[in-house]
Amino acid sequence: DTGVSQDPRHKITKRGQNVTFRCDPISEHNRLYWYRQTLGQGPEFLTYFQNEAQLEKSRLLSDRFSAERPKGSFSTLEIQRTEQGDSAMYLCASSNSGRGEQYFGPGTRLTVT
Amino acid sequence: AQKVTQAQTEISVVEKEDVTLDCVYETRDTTYYLFWYKQPPSGELVFLIRRNSFDEQNEISGRYSWNFQKSTSSFNFTITASQVVDSAVYFCALSEGTSGTYKYIFGTGTRLKVLA
Repeated sequence: DTGVSQDPRHKITKRGQNVTFRCDPISEHNRLYWYRQTLGQGPEFLTYFQNEAQLEKSRLLSDRFSAERPKGSFSTLEIQRTEQGDSAMYLCASSNSGRGEQYFGPGTRLTVT
Repeated sequence: AQKVTQAQTEISVVEKEDVTLDCVYETRDTTYYLFWYKQPPSGELVFLIRRNSFDEQNEISGRYSWNFQKSTSSFNFTITASQVVDSAVYFCALSEGTSGTYKYIFGTGTRLKVLA
């Protein structure tokens, strides 16, 4: 069990560029979550996958954001036409039960200049 | 509406002091789950404890203890004999199963500084 991994750990991009982040959950976990955390705040829910199906999206997830989880394994989160307000830490978490705890990855810190 | 309130933004204590971090939650569900996570300077959220709404027993794990009181909608966390390594941001979170998502609603966190 290697835990949840995320790549890259840091990303600096210019406004208007597209970025993509990757999350590899714990292998036997079928539930995968994306959260966003800004400075001084708690993480906020973005979207949820059960296996390959995206079952819930937050209103925070504008049309510029898209997430996928092909084959129910790793997941990607893409942000198109980045804005300075997208600067945040993007966290991925996985679990094997809704009632159980979620295990978080180290996050991807995005800075939009 | 679901909400988690951590009113203490930052707490500073001297090593070996006891410290309690407060968490108050709001939910209309009768079945829900409460969690505490630690976020050290490295940034990764570390799971500490899970409690379901039907289990009001307090729990102790080493220097950590948790007090869950449904009557006051509180789930407080106490660190006994604090150590410098306890310095971190601590988050309380709530999840409900109504939609089947069990997404977390986090509080804003409490930054704990333990001074040597």
